[in-house]
Amino acid sequence: QSVLTQPPSASGTPGQRVTISCSGSSSNIGRNTVNWYQQLPGTAPKVLIYRNDQRPSGVPDRFSGSKSGTSASLAISGLQSEDEADYYCAAWDDRLNGRWVFGGGTKLTVL
Amino acid sequence: QVHLQQSGPGLVNPSQTLSLTCAISGDSVSSNSATWNWIRQSPSRGLEWLGRTYFRSKWNNGYGESVKSRITINSDTSKNQFSLHLNSVTPEDTAVYYCADLDRAWGQGTLVTVSS
Repeated sequence: QSVLTQPPSASGTPGQRVTISCSGSSSNIGRNTVNWYQQLPGTAPKVLIYRNDQRPSGVPDRFSGSKSGTSASLAISGLQSEDEADYYCAAWDDRLNGRWVFGGGTKLTVL
Repeated sequence: QVHLQQSGPGLVNPSQTLSLTCAISGDSVSSNSATWNWIRQSPSRGLEWLGRTYFRSKWNNGYGESVKSRITINSDTSKNQFSLHLNSVTPEDTAVYYCADLDRAWGQGTLVTVSS
């Protein structure tokens, strides 16, 4: 079981807006920033959002991140077929001498 | 733009040491703002953080509890790279291993199988 909790699946139709949630606790999301990663089949994860809401250069502004309390969300607007992938949240956790913790991943299907 | 390129064997015998290297381009391993991590991914464990190294006036390391007794991460400034060494491996260590700066980039991944 992962330290951060994500829904196992999400879906939407092209053009739609979808959100993926990530729930943590006071030792991780409650105190530290959240990153989001996109993993296409058979490839390495790619940084989508870092430090809650920052997009690396090259990531479309259709992707946005937010955080409130011990939860975070990834929103994807104008859904496209190429957005079909696994999405993971991650945060630093201050327990056990500090460690990065991850969500179990959300498989996004574009219908 | 930082880029990470991994190298190392894909097959390791049980009880031996798994060693992987991550070559950095676009930044320095001794950067005062970056941290260099190793993560692995398997169907049973999902994404699991193994440890990190970083330079802040001196070298620092941190390791995950599940591998703390078996892991070493070190850096080579002359080659601008960092390495993972995981000893006494078992089949449970079979996974795809990644190096990463978790705010910027991941390596391409290396499938490591522990088997004789």
